[in-house]
Parts: sequence; structure tokens; C-alpha cells
Amino acid sequence: GAGVSQTPSNKVTEKGKYVELRCDPISGHTALYWYRQSLGQGPEFLIYFQGTGAADDSGLPNDRFFAVRPEGSVSTLKIQRTERGDSAVYLCASSFSGLETQYFGPGTRLLVL
Amino acid sequence: GENVEQHPSTLSVQEGDSAVIKCTYSDSASNYFPWYKQELGKRPQLIIDIRSNVGEKKDQRIAVTLNKTAKHFSLHITETQPEDSAVYFCAASEAGKSTFGDGTTLTVKP
Repeated sequence: GAGVSQTPSNKVTEKGKYVELRCDPISGHTALYWYRQSLGQGPEFLIYFQGTGAADDSGLPNDRFFAVRPEGSVSTLKIQRTERGDSAVYLCASSFSGLETQYFGPGTRLLVL
Repeated sequence: GENVEQHPSTLSVQEGDSAVIKCTYSDSASNYFPWYKQELGKRPQLIIDIRSNVGEKKDQRIAVTLNKTAKHFSLHITETQPEDSAVYFCAASEAGKSTFGDGTTLTVKP
């Protein structure tokens, strides 16, 4: 079956702009995760959804970052007033119930100029 | 919050030798410990995982051990092959939230 997909694969934007990153999880997976990975580091947890609700958003770095999952499937990570330090690969993952294996998407490489 | 430390940061072995990567964690509430392999420019892929009620798990050439008392877990790869070359990440998870180590770059020389 189809795996986790993310769009766009690459995004270049200017400092101060707004961006949206999309994640399509594996069909039937109730849990969805967002991570940020900088070069040479492991994925850094941002937020975890169980269904439509954010079960844990403790990893969001500040109020410029926001994520939604209105129908319990597709999720959008929104970043306002982007800064150069936001440049990273944003990874999405999903799992069947939140207690099982997480399957990662290919990531969105964000570059803020 | 949880803190995961991973060692070594780089590891070079000869083909056919074994490789061992070690991780420690700080939060005793963590109960799920996956290991991921990430090739350059690719997504992390799960290679093996272990839950806190198990001390060891093996899958062909790969094994993971967990010591809950000491809060450390290790990845063992035997009979390494050049295609095992990649970055390996450990993670400690609790209630859905995963904290990752900084990765180990494994190079297997033919």
C-alpha cells in the first residue's frame, strides 16, 4: 500500500514569509507525528496527533509553529514569519495506534533565505 | 524531559566484523525503544525495536538489548556488509512521543 507522503519535497522561502507543509499518513493510521531534522542530528519531536486532536505539542519551538489535522488524516504544519533558523528537513510519520511502529515520510526540505 | 545519548558518533568496521552502538536514556517512563537506519537523503526506516518488558530481541543479523535498570540499550549488527553503511538512530518513546539520539555514522569497508 501507499506509504506516508509529504508535499512539497522542497520549499525555498524568504525570511518573514508563511509556509505550509502537508503530510498524508498511511490510510487507517490514527497517530501522526511531526519532527524536524537538522543536518547531523536526529529527528526532533514537534507534535503528535491522535485522531484530530494534538495529544502532545510540547515540541513546538514557539507560537510561530502550528499544526492541524481537521479530519484525522491529512495534517498541515504551518510556520509563520519564517526565520533562517527554521531551515531543516521536516519529517512526518504515522502509526496505527500510537503504540506501534512509526513509518516516516520522505520529508520536506525547507530553506529560509 | 527525556534525554537520549548515543555513542559512538562514527564507527568504521571491516566487512564481516560486528558493530555495536549504545544509547542511554534518562526518563524511566520510556517504554519503547526503536532503532532506525537512515541513508543519505532518505527517510529513517525502522530496523528493529524493543519494548520495556523484553530484555533482548533478535532479527537475523541484528539484535537489540535493553537494560531498564541502567537505562541503556544497544544495537548489535553481526557479519556487517557494505550495504549496512548508513546513519543509525536510537530513540526512546513514551506515550507516542519519541526522543532520538544524534545518530551513529556506520561505515563498513569492503
